[in-house]
Amino acid sequence: NAGVTQTPKFRVLKTGQSMTLLCAQDMNHEYMYWYRQDPGMGLRLIHYSVGEGTTAKGEVPDGYNVSRLKKQNFLLGLESAAPSQTSVYFCASRRDYLTDTQYFGPGTRLTVL
Amino acid sequence: GDSVTQMEGPVTLSEEAFLTINCTYTATGYPSLFWYVQYPGEGLQLLLKATKADDKGSNKGFEATYRKETTSFHLEKGSVQVSDSAVYFCALSDSGTSYGKLTFGQGTILTVHP
Repeated sequence: NAGVTQTPKFRVLKTGQSMTLLCAQDMNHEYMYWYRQDPGMGLRLIHYSVGEGTTAKGEVPDGYNVSRLKKQNFLLGLESAAPSQTSVYFCASRRDYLTDTQYFGPGTRLTVL
Repeated sequence: GDSVTQMEGPVTLSEEAFLTINCTYTATGYPSLFWYVQYPGEGLQLLLKATKADDKGSNKGFEATYRKETTSFHLEKGSVQVSDSAVYFCALSDSGTSYGKLTFGQGTILTVHP
């Protein structure tokens, strides 16, 4: 049982490049989340999904897109990376609406030059 | 909107010292409260939680009590170890939302010296 995994662990992009971050969970959780972590600001929610085929915006969605084609995977896309998107990205999952604990992946450190 | 405020850091202690990290919150409804810990180079791990007023969460020697009257959830440990060095995040999950958004504090860096 691997829990929540994220790929890649590190990535360096140039401004304007695109990339996709992959999050996978093997716990059959319904809900999945993408957060970004910036120094002194805690974690902020980018997008979330309450089930396969659904996505919704969080508090800082601009510049990102997401997809949840399979229940176990949640993809975060950057179409045209900007230096302001330099951050550490965390994926999390939660079993369902009856539980409130989120389980986090190890994170992806992204640098945009 | 909801918010979480943690004490300013970083916090530096000697081994076996007493630890308190303050956390206060603002929320509508009846949130669940959490402490997450992030060890160097790793993701966040749930340390403990409390789901209603006066509940005490505990794990690995850490404790926190949900105080509705003071809107606080302070983290305490009686005797810290070097291995407790990490970043600690206080968070709340508002049961009033349909998707269980977590609102985090800014994090407190704890360093424990031998």
